[in-house]
Amino acid sequence: EAGVAQSPRYKIIEKRQSVAFWCNPISGHATLYWYQQILGQGPKLLIQFQNNGVVDDSQLPKDRFSAERLKGVDSTLKIQPAKLEDSAVYLCASSSSTPWNEQFFGPGTRLTVL
Amino acid sequence: DQQVKQNSPSLSVQEGRISILNCDYTNSMFDYFLWYKKYPAEGPTFLISISSIKDKNEDGRFTVFLNKSAKHLSLHIVPSQPGDSAVYFCAANPGGSQGNLIFGKGTKLSVKP
Repeated sequence: EAGVAQSPRYKIIEKRQSVAFWCNPISGHATLYWYQQILGQGPKLLIQFQNNGVVDDSQLPKDRFSAERLKGVDSTLKIQPAKLEDSAVYLCASSSSTPWNEQFFGPGTRLTVL
Repeated sequence: DQQVKQNSPSLSVQEGRISILNCDYTNSMFDYFLWYKKYPAEGPTFLISISSIKDKNEDGRFTVFLNKSAKHLSLHIVPSQPGDSAVYFCAANPGGSQGNLIFGKGTKLSVKP
């Protein structure tokens, strides 16, 4: 079974630029999560999708971050414009059901904002 | 305000001995607790979990203990192996209809041969 795929693995941009991350969850997983992990911290949930609907985006900085999950499969997370404090690893995870089930994480995208 | 706390940033243990990783939480409504293991440049991988209605769960070399009155859980690894060297995250599920996890900051375990 293929795992959660993410791309790119690394990205370096200047502040005020835009960036997008892509995630392909495990086949059949209805729930998809985006987490932000700042160096020295644990992952923090940004947004949770159930199929293509948003379940929780309370911690997503909506003035600059956006996410979508078209057709309930792949998802993209966008930052526009980026700030220095957005430097982090962005992790995508998926699970087969809610309220809880084992979440499978992708390798993450390491973003550096200069 | 951190709801899940791992107060030890690092732990060093000799191969073959026991590793004990600790985690404290503040919200008594958490109904599920999990431990994830993370190697560098990889995403976290699920290790073991425990429901709030239990006080112990065991899976091979890994055992998680839950003390609800103290709002404390611990992960025991016996015997520790060099391949166990990684960052271990404690996480809690808030319950209800959401499946998101609240993570601690992690503890870096080093198992020395």
